[in-house]
Amino acid sequence: RKEVEQDPGPFNVPEGATVAFNCTYSNSASQSFFWYRQDCRKEPKLLMSVYSSGNEDGRFTAQLNRASQYISLLIRDSKLSDSATYLCVVAYNDMRFGAGTRLTVKP
Amino acid sequence: GAVVSQHPSWVICKSGTSVKIECRSLDFQATTMFWYRQFPKQSLMLMATSNEGSKATYEQGVEKDKFLINHASLTLSTLTVTSAHPEDSSFYICSARWQRDEQYFGPGTRLTVT
Repeated sequence: RKEVEQDPGPFNVPEGATVAFNCTYSNSASQSFFWYRQDCRKEPKLLMSVYSSGNEDGRFTAQLNRASQYISLLIRDSKLSDSATYLCVVAYNDMRFGAGTRLTVKP
Repeated sequence: GAVVSQHPSWVICKSGTSVKIECRSLDFQATTMFWYRQFPKQSLMLMATSNEGSKATYEQGVEKDKFLINHASLTLSTLTVTSAHPEDSSFYICSARWQRDEQYFGPGTRLTVT
């Protein structure tokens, strides 16, 4: 079993749609959780950290369920510029990346 | 956020030669840096953890004699790909740990071995 598993995608959605990504992790001792965004041929950039209480940043909402070892990212009112690969990242002593979910937002 | 630079951003070398990639934390001190490799359409794969003043910790399957890591200061880690072969062609990305376990990535180095 992979340490971090994500929806394989790709997700193709129209502008304005709401899209949700899911991620599960295997190490129950994991301490920190993040969503990163990676554009084609670029480095990953931190999108947001994920807290147990859930957190929201504009159109983006991240949630963590430690009991189920599950993380989610919700994007509302999607924009063309949201097109990218979204990486679920789980940290214990080091960071482990999911394979990423590719999102394409179309006009 | 923190800024991490990487140099060079793009390099082509001949098979059998060595290539050094530098990773710098520009506005903070990083006791720990990480080196990743990413092949096209695949996820980042952690190669090694670089600790300032000590030997790097390599992931299983990564040859430490081929991928030499030196973390000589709190702001600089280097990765040297020795005796490069075409299969080493990849996107190499470093990152540095900042606060609250957040990692910030360098812009990456695209290595092509001919």
